[in-house]
Amino acid sequence: DSGVTQTPKHLITATGQRVTLRCSPRSGDLSVYWYQQSLDQGLQFLIQYYNGEERAKGNILERFSAQQFPDLHSELNLSSLELGDSALYFCASSVDQGRTDTQYFGPGTRLTVL
Amino acid sequence: AQSVTQPDIHITVSEGASLELRCNYSYGATPYLFWYVQSPGQGLQLLLKYFSGDTLVQGIKGFEAEFKRSQSSFNLRKPSVHWSDAAEYFCAVVLDYKLSFGAGTTVTVRA
Repeated sequence: DSGVTQTPKHLITATGQRVTLRCSPRSGDLSVYWYQQSLDQGLQFLIQYYNGEERAKGNILERFSAQQFPDLHSELNLSSLELGDSALYFCASSVDQGRTDTQYFGPGTRLTVL
Repeated sequence: AQSVTQPDIHITVSEGASLELRCNYSYGATPYLFWYVQSPGQGLQLLLKYFSGDTLVQGIKGFEAEFKRSQSSFNLRKPSVHWSDAAEYFCAVVLDYKLSFGAGTTVTVRA
């Protein structure tokens, strides 16, 4: 158990819908990262927040957005869902934002878009 | 582009045999390298990491990895594989603040 929690574990929804994925980082960690794992794209970095501020952006679609709240939990919002958004979404957290900070991963949320 | 490559998509190994998973990186400066394991239906678990210093790194579950700058490699090894080692293994390098992952190697363990 990494100490990072993600809810829900599974999410099934229809195209065009909007969903919110939630992540609670390890106690004391200030950075939260979101990754997407799909069969065709592999594991891809989406976005990072550090202490409530956006720090880095990766291959995140405009239909997707995220935020980190004062209590440091984070939410990833996915809207106008398409079939291709079906994937496993991971959250990770680290103590700080340095390159040597180890990222600890949550169990993931599996999103299925029908 | 700066990245990592895992040349082997799938490896099958007998229980008790040794295992080596290859990882090559492309990075101009000193790379910060990681190996993660993903068991079926699970999240990613950190096996080990290399930042600097001793090039032979020990990790959890009996795994070790060796950093070889001359070969741009960071191969993962285990002397004797257990059935529970069947999983997908990912090599990753830190680019800016994010992890860039290889495509992964799936390990099957046969009895």
